[in-house]
Amino acid sequence: AQSVTQPDIHITVSEGASLELRCNYSYGATPYLFWYVQSPGQGLQLLLKYFSGDTLVQGIKGFEAEFKRSQSSFNLRKPSVHWSDAAEYFCAVALNYGGATNKLIFGTGTLLAVQP
Amino acid sequence: GAVVSQHPSRVICKSGTSVKIECRSLDFQATTMFWYRQFPKKSLMLMATSNEGSKATYEQGVEKDKFLINHASLTLSTLTVTSAHPEDSSFYICSGRSGGNAIQYFGAGTRLSVL
Repeated sequence: AQSVTQPDIHITVSEGASLELRCNYSYGATPYLFWYVQSPGQGLQLLLKYFSGDTLVQGIKGFEAEFKRSQSSFNLRKPSVHWSDAAEYFCAVALNYGGATNKLIFGTGTLLAVQP
Repeated sequence: GAVVSQHPSRVICKSGTSVKIECRSLDFQATTMFWYRQFPKKSLMLMATSNEGSKATYEQGVEKDKFLINHASLTLSTLTVTSAHPEDSSFYICSGRSGGNAIQYFGAGTRLSVL
């Protein structure tokens, strides 16, 4: 069955430090990949997406992610974390049924805490 | 990005009553809307998918008679939790997408507390 794994439930980094959040997926075909961020009590905001082409994608708020087919991974990175980045981050895969994407499968999320 | 408005943001109700949650796409036509449920410190669980003018498709294990979904227009979908019980207390989030677009735009969520 298709699945998305985020191995790190909780990560704490110091402000200004670099960040990498891991995401692995299990899916037979080439998926559409997403990273969303959720602030407490809020909905989800799209950070970035990968559909095809350049495997390094840039998103909002200084985030980037790299698709590595050989590792079935789509890790999220940021070179310098800001206190406002503290939130929960979800990786998601869109299942592509016959070319028409359908539902999203979400990972369990990684809660990011930022120390001053 | 496109905006999805979800209302109310928080609702408290008595056990046995029904609650309606609205999800509106403000600046795009949401041909498909999705309803998710999120438990504390858990991921989002898809409850159902609805296409405008059609009956919703429910995920396995989701009671369609308890969670009534209506998607009567391209900008509005509603989720009605019927005869709510304390175990229905949760955070409900809707999303919408346009046509074959893979990107879903999410509402801010509704915190339902059933007493």
